[in-house]
Amino acid sequence: DAGVIQSPRHEVTEMGQEVTLRCKPISGHDYLFWYRQTMMRGLELLIYFNNNVPIDDSGMPEDRFSAKMPNASFSTLKIQPSEPRDSAVYFCASRMLAGGEQFFGPGTRLTVL
Amino acid sequence: SQQGEEDPQALSIQEGENATMNCSYKTSINNLQWYRQNSGRGLVHLILIRSNEREKHSGRLRVTLDTSKKSSSLLITASRAADTASYFCAPATRETSGSRLTFGEGTQLTVNP
Repeated sequence: DAGVIQSPRHEVTEMGQEVTLRCKPISGHDYLFWYRQTMMRGLELLIYFNNNVPIDDSGMPEDRFSAKMPNASFSTLKIQPSEPRDSAVYFCASRMLAGGEQFFGPGTRLTVL
Repeated sequence: SQQGEEDPQALSIQEGENATMNCSYKTSINNLQWYRQNSGRGLVHLILIRSNEREKHSGRLRVTLDTSKKSSSLLITASRAADTASYFCAPATRETSGSRLTFGEGTQLTVNP
């Protein structure tokens, strides 16, 4: 298995632009997680899905952030409009079983100028 | 939220020495997981210990769990330079059936050759 796939790996954009991050979970995994990691705040859970349904989005910082999972093999995290403080590494992770290990993707490093 | 707190924040040792990292948490858990993150990479699952287990081994890793003290430790024996990374513990709570993991700030381990 190729593991969790994220794209793009790096994104540089200007403030105010829309940013879309993509994730393909491991086939057969029922859970998908989006995290954000910064030096200041560490690794934060933004939202997670179970069977394509958003379960907990309490970590989404504000309305500028939205996430979708239209099918079991694809999810997006969108930021519109982006701001410099959104600069971070965004990780997607997936998991098969409740309470089991999570498999992380390589991350997308986002820089908002 | 349930979050593991790792201690120490940073640890520097010589190759061949053992490294011990500790984790404390606050509420009842289903299991506790340890992850490693190499610089610029996603997290990698190391080991999961269930609430009814006291000790678990995996290669050079040894994890203990004391639910009465709400603490866990990760021991890496005969450390190598390649073990240099950040290490995170993640308690999986009973309330959420372990669906949500909250990561602490981690322990930065440096193994000097």
